[in-house]
Amino acid sequence: NAGVTQTPKFQVLKTGQSMTLQCAQDMNHNSMYWYRQDPGMGLRLIYYSASEGTTDKGEVPNGYNVSRLNKREFSLRLESAAPSQTSVYFCASSDGTHQPQHFGDGTRLSIL
Amino acid sequence: QKEVEQNSGPLSVPEGAIASLNCTYSDRGSQSFFWYRQYSGKSPELIMSIYSNGDKEDGRFTAQLNKASQYVSLLIRDSQPSDSATYLCAAPPNSGNTPLVFGKGTRLSVIA
Repeated sequence: NAGVTQTPKFQVLKTGQSMTLQCAQDMNHNSMYWYRQDPGMGLRLIYYSASEGTTDKGEVPNGYNVSRLNKREFSLRLESAAPSQTSVYFCASSDGTHQPQHFGDGTRLSIL
Repeated sequence: QKEVEQNSGPLSVPEGAIASLNCTYSDRGSQSFFWYRQYSGKSPELIMSIYSNGDKEDGRFTAQLNKASQYVSLLIRDSQPSDSATYLCAAPPNSGNTPLVFGKGTRLSVIA
C-alpha cells in the first residue's frame, strides 16, 4: 500500500540547472498538492491540482511549473534552479480540494 | 496579516501531563480547522479536524474550537515521549476556494 510516492528523495543541483520532481498516488484521489517547507516557515503551497487537467497557483509559485499528467501523477519542475529554492518538497493528495490527507516522504533539494 | 498563527515553542511537558497547543486564525468566516503532526525528518500526517464550536475527542487527543475568539486548540492527555513532534495547525485561507493555510507549527517535547 504505497500511498503517495515521491522521487527522488535527495538531490543536489547547481544554480541554473533544471529538474523535475515526480509524485504519484495510488488512492484514486482527485486533488494533489506541492508544498515546500523551510526551517521556521511551516508548509507553503506552491501549486495544486483539484482534478485531472487543472492546476492552480498557491502561495509561492514563482520559479516553478507543474503538470498533472493523469489522475495519479503530479510533477513539479524547476526550470532554472536558484539557491532560494533549497528546501524540502512535499507532495500530497486528498479526496477534496482543501485539506491534504496523505503526504509523500518528501524530496530534500539543495541548490548550490 | 498572517492567517494562521502558532507559538513555535518548544513546549516542554512531563510524561503523563496534558499538553495544550494553541492556534489563532484571522478569518472569522473559516468553517474548518485541522491539526497535523510531523515527526522530525518525516512528512506531516493529518490527526484531527474540527468544524463546529466546542470539543471533539479522539482517543487522547481533543480539538477545541472557539469561533468567537478565533482560536483552535489541541489537547493531548497523558502525554507520552512518542508525542514529541511538531504540530501544525491549518485553516482555509481568507479568500478564495483554495487549499489550507498552515501555521508554522509548535514543537512539543514530552520529557520522560
